[in-house]
Amino acid sequence: RKEVEQDPGPFNVPEGATVAFNCTYSNSASQSFFWYRQDCRKEPKLLMSVYSSGNEDGRFTAQLNRASQYISLLIRDSKLSDSATYLCVVNGDFGNEKLTFGTGTRLTIIP
Amino acid sequence: NAGVTQTPKFRVLKTGQSMTLLCAQDMNHEYMYWYRQDPGMGLRLIHYSVGEGTTAKGEVPDGYNVSRLKKQNFLLGLESAAPSQTSVYFCASGMQGANTEAFFGQGTRLTVV
Repeated sequence: RKEVEQDPGPFNVPEGATVAFNCTYSNSASQSFFWYRQDCRKEPKLLMSVYSSGNEDGRFTAQLNRASQYISLLIRDSKLSDSATYLCVVNGDFGNEKLTFGTGTRLTIIP
Repeated sequence: NAGVTQTPKFRVLKTGQSMTLLCAQDMNHEYMYWYRQDPGMGLRLIHYSVGEGTTAKGEVPDGYNVSRLKKQNFLLGLESAAPSQTSVYFCASGMQGANTEAFFGQGTRLTVV
């Protein structure tokens, strides 16, 4: 089983729609969780951290379910500029702090 | 601020040649990482470092060596390049601690022919 698994997509979504991605992780001792965004032929950049209580940043909402070991990202009122690959990232437990990336979910927003 | 800078940005090597990729960060970060990214595989960790003078193996370390002689630099070496090492290589850095952001360089596109 991969350490971090994501649906690779692609997701083709009309502008203005709501889209959700899920990600599962295998290490129950993982401490930190993130969503990164990667544009075509560019480096990954942090979109948002994921907190246990869930958190929101504008149109983006992240949720963490430790019991089921999954993370989700919800994008509301999607924009053309949201088209990118979204990477689920998990940090290891203390003393093993290396970031493990999912393979990414590709999102295309259609005008 | 330059952030994380990778050198070179593009390179073509012949099988069996050696080369070194340089990563430099100016944010005084303790942690530095080297990843490779291949289609359908996502980012895979090659080696990482938790501080000056330390290195550790990641998920796919074979065929690569690293050194962290100075805190700001993390070098990735290919001793004898193989076509399977054709990839996009990303360096990243971050502060100590589990809940911190990693900052990435712009990547190095390496082709081994």
